[in-house]
Amino acid sequence: DADVTQTPRNRITKTGKRIMLECSQTKGHDRMYWYRQDPGLGLRLIYYSFDVKDINKGEISDGYSVSRQAQAKFSLSLESAIPNQTALYFCATSERTGLYGYTFGSGTRLTVV
Amino acid sequence: AQKVTQAQTEISVVEKEDVTLDCVYETRDTTYYLFWYKQPPSGELVFLIRRNSFDEQNEISGRYSWNFQKSTSSFNFTITASQVVDSAVYFCALTRGGGFKTIFGAGTRLFVKA
Repeated sequence: DADVTQTPRNRITKTGKRIMLECSQTKGHDRMYWYRQDPGLGLRLIYYSFDVKDINKGEISDGYSVSRQAQAKFSLSLESAIPNQTALYFCATSERTGLYGYTFGSGTRLTVV
Repeated sequence: AQKVTQAQTEISVVEKEDVTLDCVYETRDTTYYLFWYKQPPSGELVFLIRRNSFDEQNEISGRYSWNFQKSTSSFNFTITASQVVDSAVYFCALTRGGGFKTIFGAGTRLFVKA
């Protein structure tokens, strides 16, 4: 099993629908992150969590929400999806200091039509 | 403010050529960490290297080498004798000393043709 698992791998949804992307990890890391990748823009941080009770907004959090259900689980929700949220979404984890690099999931390709 | 610039959007080389991917960063911190990640066509992101701001030694790992120069705020990545399997998007990234969060560059897409 992968260290960081994202589900679903691909999803097509309609404008206005609520959708949840899930992430689970077996690394035992405290820190978890959600990034969005768009062509030419690299990866941009949506939300991050340093532990179960500590959740913080990243640079592009509008239109998104998250839930840290347990140390190992961190889900991302789009409350009312819109077409410009079409992107590749990555979950990542890191150890406590965050200074040894991230372990990424395989990504979720989301298309909003 | 922190910023990571990868000015090369796409690079195309023929197999066995050497290629250098540029990364320029901006930060006011004295302690920071630089990273390179690889994203092959399959889509996953793979950690390649980490370098802290106090260690300017170049590093070589097989065909890969990294040149860190604080004087020019650059952390460039060279692939020697490129192979088709090196075709990927490569991201440079910067983390502040407290490990607060990581900023990524826009990425450089490398095509290696047989």
